[in-house]
Amino acid sequence: DGGITQSPKYLFRKEGQNVTLSCEQNLNHDAMYWYRQDPGQGLRLIYYSQIVNDFQKGDIAEGYSVSREKKESFPLTVTSAQKNPTAFYLCASKKGPFYEQYFGPGTRLTVT
Amino acid sequence: EDQVTQSPEALRLQEGESSSLNCSYTVSGLRGLFWYRQDPGKGPEFLFTLYSAGEEKEKERLKATLTKKESFLHITAPKPEDSATYLCAVQAVGGFKTIFGAGTRLFVKA
Repeated sequence: DGGITQSPKYLFRKEGQNVTLSCEQNLNHDAMYWYRQDPGQGLRLIYYSQIVNDFQKGDIAEGYSVSREKKESFPLTVTSAQKNPTAFYLCASKKGPFYEQYFGPGTRLTVT
Repeated sequence: EDQVTQSPEALRLQEGESSSLNCSYTVSGLRGLFWYRQDPGKGPEFLFTLYSAGEEKEKERLKATLTKKESFLHITAPKPEDSATYLCAVQAVGGFKTIFGAGTRLFVKA
């Protein structure tokens, strides 16, 4: 089955630690995205990548970093510089510019 | 500035009570409007894409429509399993960034 996987589903970290969230897709999509979702708010774009080895900052990129070394993979690192990292993180991909996005199941990150 | 506003924030219906969710948008050159369903603790599930005013799409009890300023998601005779958050999103010229609304939480009581 084609789809997007995110791991882990739940992640707990201490303040001051960097943490990397995994996102893998086997849909052969060129574009991949990371969003953050907080209660009562819409999805906010962190980073996106249109092709391998290229990515752009979204609306809330501060404190986050990404890489896109393979078409299938787009990991997100939440660094200690992110002031409020506790949130639900969603990865998505799409076929091309004007197509719909498909989402993974999400990772809930809790930092204490 | 591109913007998406959804209303109401929450909607409570009795089973079988039809209603509509609204998505108002301002965008510089609409290239697509998307509806998603999101269950608690899960990723959004794609429902529909609409590209031009007057277009309509249907799936089971859901029907999405589009005008030049807004989209409606009509729910006919809803069932408790339709309870979820419904997200609206727009794609502007350029094609890679999508702007999401905050969603409408729908509760359907048996």
